[in-house]
Amino acid sequence: ETGVTQTPRHLVMGMTNKKSLKCEQHLGHNAMYWYKQSAKKPLELMFVYSLEERVENNSVPSRFSPECPNSSHLFLHLHTLQPEDSALYLCASSQDQAGTGELFFGEGSRLTVL
Amino acid sequence: KQEVTQIPAALSVPEGENLVLNCSFTDSAIYNLQWFRQDPGKGLTSLLLIQSSQREQTSGRLNASLDKSSGRSTLYIAASQPGDSATYLCAVLGVSNDYKLSFGAGTTVTVRA
Repeated sequence: ETGVTQTPRHLVMGMTNKKSLKCEQHLGHNAMYWYKQSAKKPLELMFVYSLEERVENNSVPSRFSPECPNSSHLFLHLHTLQPEDSALYLCASSQDQAGTGELFFGEGSRLTVL
Repeated sequence: KQEVTQIPAALSVPEGENLVLNCSFTDSAIYNLQWFRQDPGKGLTSLLLIQSSQREQTSGRLNASLDKSSGRSTLYIAASQPGDSATYLCAVLGVSNDYKLSFGAGTTVTVRA
């Protein structure tokens, strides 16, 4: 138990569906992140939020839309995805705003796009 | 752009043997380096964080060293156990890469009973 909870753990969706991934951290951290992990590839940073403000959008397609309503919750809204978007999506948090501290990850949401 | 390489990609050892995992990075201007463990289908668990001013960090059977000038870090796991079987990833936070950890592809370790 890392203090970062992700739901759902598994999601299967068609290319025309709209779904959302949820992340909640119970650590009192100030920064939250979305990462994508595809098979045989290093983790890719997607988004960073610091004190609920987006500070990084790492050239992610607009079919991925993040939302951070407060410092404990982070969402990733998905729409009109492609099969190549199938991957493990990992949420993480860190204590400080500058991203220099230790990262704590959730268990991930395994997404399959048909 | 920071490149992080982990060699070997996979490693199989008998129980009790010491593990040595290597990580190299191309840009030595870093804030910190972090080692993670990932079990199949699961998230990442932080093992050790080494700040750029440190040479090593230890936690139980784990010891990680950092040589910034040569762009290398090594994770040592003493007296390996089958429960140590997992993928180990290193990640580097570069000075010129605010917020962006650069990850290696990982080393998958199998400890045979």
